[in-house]
Amino acid sequence: EAGVVQSPRYKIIEKKQPVAFWCNPISGHNTLYWYLQNLGQGPELLIRYENEEAVDDSQLPKDRFSAERLKGVDSTLKIQPAELGDSAVYLCASSLGTSQETQYFGPGTRLLVL
Amino acid sequence: DAKTTQPTSMDCAEGRAANLPCNHSTISGNEYVYWYRQIHSQGPQYIIHGLKNNETNEMASLIITEDRKSSTLILPHATLRDTAVYYCIVRPTNAGKSTFGDGTTLTVKP
Repeated sequence: EAGVVQSPRYKIIEKKQPVAFWCNPISGHNTLYWYLQNLGQGPELLIRYENEEAVDDSQLPKDRFSAERLKGVDSTLKIQPAELGDSAVYLCASSLGTSQETQYFGPGTRLLVL
Repeated sequence: DAKTTQPTSMDCAEGRAANLPCNHSTISGNEYVYWYRQIHSQGPQYIIHGLKNNETNEMASLIITEDRKSSTLILPHATLRDTAVYYCIVRPTNAGKSTFGDGTTLTVKP
């Protein structure tokens, strides 16, 4: 069974440029999460989807970050414009449902903003 | 979500048992204890979880104290590949949010 797929694995952009990350969860997983992980710290939740609905986006900086999960499967996280402080690893995870805490993580996208 | 406290780092000799502690003194009755680990440059990986009873799987054992205020993850025979950051998380079953702390960096040495 394929795991959570993320692309790209690495991205280098200049500040003020837009960037997008893509995530394909495990088949059949209704819940999808986007996390931000700064160097030396644990992951921090940005947004959680139940199917197509964003049920927890309280930590998403909405002035520059946006996300979507069309058709309740793949998801895209976008930053526009990117700032130097956005340099981090962006992790996607999925689980069967909200009550199923076992989350399966993708390898992450490492973003460097110059 | 209840907060957890873990040591910043630990060392373990290869082949010996690694015992990673976690304090969760404010845990509620409906909150599970979960453990994940993150090997360098990879996403976190689920290890084990439990509510009240001790649990064991092919990766590790989880010992939860009777008052549930602390737990210990045991890797019975640590290998160099077990070098990673280990996260202890507590959360209720009906909530989707997991709060990861900074975890414990376990270094297994030859």
